[in-house]
Amino acid sequence: GDSVTQMEGPVTLSEEAFLTINCTYTATGYPSLFWYVQYPGEGLQLLLKATKADDKGSNKGFEATYRKETTSFHLEKGSVQVSDSAVYFCALSKGGATNKLIFGTGTLLAVQP
Amino acid sequence: DAGITQSPRYKITETGRQVTLMCHQTWSHSYMFWYRQDLGHGLRLIYYSAAADITDKGEVPDGYVVSRSKTENFPLTLESATRSQTSVYFCASSESAGAVNEQFFGPGTRLTVL
Repeated sequence: GDSVTQMEGPVTLSEEAFLTINCTYTATGYPSLFWYVQYPGEGLQLLLKATKADDKGSNKGFEATYRKETTSFHLEKGSVQVSDSAVYFCALSKGGATNKLIFGTGTLLAVQP
Repeated sequence: DAGITQSPRYKITETGRQVTLMCHQTWSHSYMFWYRQDLGHGLRLIYYSAAADITDKGEVPDGYVVSRSKTENFPLTLESATRSQTSVYFCASSESAGAVNEQFFGPGTRLTVL
């Protein structure tokens, strides 16, 4: 069945370091891909999305490109801040009648000053 | 307040008790979802609803019951709580179907079953 695999965490970085969180997926058809972020004590919120191959989603300095050839959607940021400390979830959706999201296991990012 | 709310935010109960978690959204979104979040599993879908009076099972529905008599409310009931249902529960909603549509999440309910 469809699935999402994320790199294991936690990822610990110093402020202003470069961030990459790997995400690969397995799915039939043409899913949309998402990154959600969960700040401590809060629910998830959409960070960025891409709906077709080669699309680049971006928001708040984060970027991810939908690579169909490698079935990947890696999250990147050039210079992280302490305020970026959170859990990041990669997810896919094939829409249709249900609009269900399939999530990866999440990656905890801790940014130290 | 506008948005999606969950209550209670924290709940401790005992094995065998019935527990209901509430979810309310003010956007009149058609779709609503219940997920549970467990370490090592990410979020897993319990039940979803496409509209009032239309519900269907997700990935892990056993031990849970849902109803949706009004568009804005989607309660989740644990009929006889078990320790394995200790988790953080998130409700979400989206305006319509389609892979491009964002789901909006509530703040979560942390449930502990003793």
